[in-house]
Amino acid sequence: ETGVTQSPTHLIKTRGQQVTLRCSSQSGHNTVSWYQQALGQGPQFIFQYYREEENGRGNFPPRFSGLQFPNYSSELNVNALELDDSALYLCASSLGRTGGETQYFGPGTRLLVL
Amino acid sequence: KQEVTQIPAALSVPEGENLVLNCSFTDSAIYNLQWFRQDPGKGLTSLLLIQSSQREQTSGRLNASLDKSSGRSTLYIAASQPGDSATYLCAVHGADGLTFGKGTHLIIQP
Repeated sequence: ETGVTQSPTHLIKTRGQQVTLRCSSQSGHNTVSWYQQALGQGPQFIFQYYREEENGRGNFPPRFSGLQFPNYSSELNVNALELDDSALYLCASSLGRTGGETQYFGPGTRLLVL
Repeated sequence: KQEVTQIPAALSVPEGENLVLNCSFTDSAIYNLQWFRQDPGKGLTSLLLIQSSQREQTSGRLNASLDKSSGRSTLYIAASQPGDSATYLCAVHGADGLTFGKGTHLIIQP
């Protein structure tokens, strides 16, 4: 157990809808990162938040957005869902900002877009 | 742009064998390299983290090495067991966050 939790575990949406996924980091971890893992692929970096501010972003469009809250929880929001957004979404928390620390992953939310 | 390649993509061996999983990366400007295990439909479990200044890390039957200058890492699993069956992911941590390979799908036959 990493102490990182995610909700919901599974979700089904239709194309064009909006979705919010939630993550609760380990207490004291100021950095949260979100990843998208398509079937048979490695996770792809979406973005990272440090102390409630976006601190890095991968190659994802603006319809992927996030929030981080002072209580170590965070959200990933995806607007105008597309079929290709179907994937396992993982969040990871770590202590610092620079990237030298271990990232602890949650169990993921599996999203299916029909 | 960092690219991570893992070889082989899949591996099936009898129980008890020692085995080596390979990972290569294109940009040596990394903070660290991490090996993960992923069971089907599950999240990632961190196995070993090697800082860029280190050469290897060991945990139980697992040993990971890092040669940053050549852009290579290996994960050595000794005396494999059926419970080791999973997908093993290599990830390098750079300025753009973690970049993952596609993984090696490992099956240990009882």
